[in-house]
Amino acid sequence: GAVVSQHPSRVICKSGTSVKIECRSLDFQATTMFWYRQFPKQSLMLMATSNEGSKATYEQGVEKDKFLINHASLTLSTLTVTSAHPEDSSFYICSARPALGAGEETQYFGPGTRLLVL
Amino acid sequence: AQSVSQHNHHVILSEAASLELGCNYSYGGTVNLFWYVQYPGQHLQLLLKYFSGDPLVKGIKGFEAEFIKSKFSFNLRKPSVQWSDTAEYFCAVNAPRNTGTASKLTFGTGTRLQVTL
Repeated sequence: GAVVSQHPSRVICKSGTSVKIECRSLDFQATTMFWYRQFPKQSLMLMATSNEGSKATYEQGVEKDKFLINHASLTLSTLTVTSAHPEDSSFYICSARPALGAGEETQYFGPGTRLLVL
Repeated sequence: AQSVSQHNHHVILSEAASLELGCNYSYGGTVNLFWYVQYPGQHLQLLLKYFSGDPLVKGIKGFEAEFIKSKFSFNLRKPSVQWSDTAEYFCAVNAPRNTGTASKLTFGTGTRLQVTL
């Protein structure tokens, strides 16, 4: 159990275009999902916290207008990188935390999406 | 704010050697502690976690970790490593959900473990 999927697994796009990444919890409901960015040989940096039915909470330094997050249901959150530029190239990882009442504090991670902006 | 330190950045061990990876955290309240592993080309997987109770926690694949509150530490151990344990190991901490925070995970910088045959 506790499987999280991401789609696509990798994407190449031209500079200036927008890219949408989906994160799904496959076998549990998640009121909260998290979006991370991981640079090569570095740790995960939290970008934003996505709560179902409300606005996302962004970490300091993360542009909310550039990284649009929508958490439309208890099993789906999307991250849209708008007007992508080469410096946005990175590995984007989502995680999901089971809904309140499940007694579970653990985050389960998706396989990540590698974005390359040309 | 929470912070996590992993002082070992790159560890090289021979098969059957014992492993201990250090993790120290900084936070003024109750914490949940995690070790995640990322095998080459794969996603993060939970190794073990500590919420409360017995400070010695056993996880998957023979790993264990001990929470020492007085030292703010949560070191990962394995008595005998295998070649297949080659991976990146991340220590992480968050605050319990009932503290009113978003329970954001703060990760350490990771330790790359290389096990040689």
